[in-house]
This record gives sequence, structure tokens and C-alpha cells, in this order.
Amino acid sequence: KQEVTQIPAALSVPEGENLVLNCSFTDSAIYNLQWFRQDPGKGLTSLLLIQSSQREQTSGRLNASLDKSSGRSTLYIAASQPGDSATYLCAVRTYAGGTSYGKLTFGQGTILTVHP
Amino acid sequence: NAGVTQTPKFQVLKTGQSMTLQCAQDMNHEYMSWYRQDPGMGLRLIHYSVGAGITDQGEVPNGYNVSRSTTEDFPLRLLSAAPSQTSVYFCAIRTVYGYTFGSGTRLTVV
Repeated sequence: KQEVTQIPAALSVPEGENLVLNCSFTDSAIYNLQWFRQDPGKGLTSLLLIQSSQREQTSGRLNASLDKSSGRSTLYIAASQPGDSATYLCAVRTYAGGTSYGKLTFGQGTILTVHP
Repeated sequence: NAGVTQTPKFQVLKTGQSMTLQCAQDMNHEYMSWYRQDPGMGLRLIHYSVGAGITDQGEVPNGYNVSRSTTEDFPLRLLSAAPSQTSVYFCAIRTVYGYTFGSGTRLTVV
């Protein structure tokens, strides 16, 4: 059974810092890994999708890496801003029972606070 | 959350009442799913569908029914609501860009 762990559970940083969020998973038989952002009381917004054959993806100040063999992904946020404050969720789509449909497993999330 | 519409946004039910949470998509994607999100438990899969007429159970299906008569709609039914079903419910589709989630339904069962 796939298990996804995110470290740290919470992070508070001053504005302008570069930071790294970590995600680890136990089963390396994955289709892809997706990072989401969730603001309080809101839905999930997709940030980055990394396919299993890729090593990293970039979008603006965000960079996500994937090391499938070691079961790790990191989300790097450059020059953090107060508007980046949110919960960041890592989700892994794992092969399931020989079907092509797969199963999405979430980590518990990292609560990020960026203070001015 | 463009493309996935959930209604209602908020709902309060009494124990034993029934209701249907609606989910609709406008992009003709085959895969649709329902998750619930609870503090300390994260997001857990309730039911999913890989096309019209095809549904299957996820991790926490008990107390919930689904059907998929059209590609566009995937309603989630609570036949007899219980306080343990108090949660935030999200509908999601899967595209080539990954999963896209609706804005959620916050359900309270009293």
C-alpha cells in the first residue's frame, strides 16, 4: 500500500526566503506525482505535475523534483511571499492491480506561513 | 477549479436524512472521483468512475452510493446521513495535466 509522507508538517519563514518542502513515498511504481496548494476553506489548486519519467518541473518561482528510485520529491519555492501562505499537498498516482487507472494517494500536507 | 462544478457549497443535515452531492464536468473526461477531507486524516477516496456506467469503491465507500449515467455527471448519495459523515467533500477529474478538483461541499450532519 502506497504511503506518502510530507515533512515538515508546518513551516514559518520570513518573506523573501527560499524554501524546500519534502515529500516521500513508499512504492516507486508510480505514474506521476502532483503538488497542490490549498488555501483555508478552499479547494485544491494544482501547482505542478511530474511524470514518472521526468526529473523536474518548473512554474514561475516553483520547482519540483522527482527521484522515483529513492521515493522522494521536493517542492522548491523561491523568494517566498506572504501570498504563498497555504497548505501544500503532495499526491502520488500509483499503478493499481494491473489496470491503467491508478490510485491517487495524498500526503498530510505542509502548512506554510510566510510572514512579512 | 475550472471545469468541475460542485453543488451545494454548504449543507447541514439531520442524522438519518438523505441527500445528493452533485458533481459536473464540461470536458468529457472519463475518470471522475469523490474524496472526503478530514482533519488529521487527509484526503481519502470514496468512489470513482472510469466512464459512464462504470463505478468502483475507494478506501471509504461505506454509507455512500454513486452512479454514472452520463459522462458529465457523477453524483454522490448519502442515503442515511450520520455525524461521522461530517466532512468536506471534493469531486475530481483526471486529465493529461493531472487531477483537477472542484471547490468542495462542506457537509455537517447534526
